Amino acid sequence: QQQVKQSPQSLIVQKGGISIINCAYENTAFDYFPWYQQFPGKGPALLIAIRPDVSEKKEGRFTISFNKSAKQFSLHIMDSQPGDSATYFCAASYSNYQLIWGAGTKLIIKP
Amino acid sequence: GAGVSQSPSNKVTEKGKDVELRCDPISGHTALYWYRQSLGQGLEFLIYFQGNSAPDKSGLPSDRFSAERTGGSVSTLTIQRTQQEDSAVYLCASSSAGGPETQYFGPGTRLLVL
Repeated sequence: QQQVKQSPQSLIVQKGGISIINCAYENTAFDYFPWYQQFPGKGPALLIAIRPDVSEKKEGRFTISFNKSAKQFSLHIMDSQPGDSATYFCAASYSNYQLIWGAGTKLIIKP
Repeated sequence: GAGVSQSPSNKVTEKGKDVELRCDPISGHTALYWYRQSLGQGLEFLIYFQGNSAPDKSGLPSDRFSAERTGGSVSTLTIQRTQQEDSAVYLCASSSAGGPETQYFGPGTRLLVL
C-alpha cells in the first residue's frame, strides 16, 4: 500500500511532441504528489507538485493531471525539447516528511 | 548561494571496509535526509534528521548503517563492513521545513564495493 508505481520505465519522444509519464498509488492518505527531474550525475530537483484538492496544475510546459478516484497522476511535458531528456520520478507523501518514490522514467527526446 | 554538497563524489572500496560519506546541507535548513539510489531504481529512504529531534532511522537497511548530524548541520553516513550490495548512489537532501515540500538534493556519492 506504500508503493507508487511509475510507468513507462523508459520513453522516447520526438522533439516537439508530448511526453506523458504515469503514476499510480494505493494509499488514499497520500496528499502531496511531486515530480522530480534528475540529470545524469546530479541529484533530483523538484519540477512541479500537486495536492489532491485540484485536478490539474500547469507550470510552463509541464502539467500534472490528478485523478483522485482512480488514484493516478501523470506528468505531461508539452513541446518536448532535447533539454528535457532526463529521468523523471513521481513521489507521494501524507504530509509527513517521508516521500515514497516511483522507480523513475528515463525520457529521451529525439531532435 | 551554495547548495547541498556531498563528499566524496566517488568512492571505491573493498568488501569489508568501512566508509564515511559526508553531507553539507544548505545553511539554515533544519531537515536532512539520506537516500540510496540503486541503478534503475527509485530513491530508498534511509534516515531523516529534523532539528534536535530524534532521527527517524526506520529506513536503514541493517545495523551496518549509521548516521549522525553534528551541530544541526553536517551529516555523516557510515557503512561498516561494506558488502557488494551496498554499491549505489547515496543522496543527501535538505529542507527548510519539516514536511515533504521541496527537498534540495546534493549530487550524490557513488559508492562501488569491490
